[in-house]
Amino acid sequence: AQSVTQLGSHVSVSEGALVLLRCNYSSSVPPYLFWYVQYPNQGLQLLLKYTTGATLVKGINGFEAEFKKSETSFHLTKPSAHMSDAAEYFCAVSAAGAGSYQLTFGKGTKLSVIP
Amino acid sequence: EADIYQTPRYLVIGTGKKITLECSQTMGHDKMYWYQQDPGMELHLIHYSYGVNSTEKGDLSSESTVSRIRTEHFPLTLESARPSHTSQYLCASSDFTVGYTFGSGTRLTVV
Repeated sequence: AQSVTQLGSHVSVSEGALVLLRCNYSSSVPPYLFWYVQYPNQGLQLLLKYTTGATLVKGINGFEAEFKKSETSFHLTKPSAHMSDAAEYFCAVSAAGAGSYQLTFGKGTKLSVIP
Repeated sequence: EADIYQTPRYLVIGTGKKITLECSQTMGHDKMYWYQQDPGMELHLIHYSYGVNSTEKGDLSSESTVSRIRTEHFPLTLESARPSHTSQYLCASSDFTVGYTFGSGTRLTVV
């Protein structure tokens, strides 16, 4: 079984400041990890994913995340926040390998960007 | 363009009405999912399907039902809508290797 914990249900940053959204996971098998973004009244859009290979993953809109197995973490970062980054962000985990297809989502972190 | 479509985007209906939320995808994905999400809240899996004629209930108990007669189509039905069904319903599909692709959602209000 897998689980995801997102630290901080609400994060506020100033425009131009570093964005750091925290995600820790629990998985009994090697995980696949995902970050999604949701704008108001919209579905979820995939930002980036880690499956295998390089542990630093780059995604859309300047976001990146690093898979750290020893820390069971997959934190999302962006060097400089933009007003358009204000949204809800969801971390998700799935078990790698055949037979397990479902994503387990965290509860989400709402990012506010202050001008 | 390959995508996933949900209709309607917004729906306001009276208590006791039967409604069907439509979800179609053009990516040929075998796996499809329905999530319920209250505003600003987490996602709750209510139904999923791994292929034609395969449907399962999710983690959150729901009075809705689903069907999967065609690969591309995964409609969700509420036989008798109640105010407690007011929520956003998100449909997603997957071939696993790339994660889920979500539709834009249906925001349902039952009055």
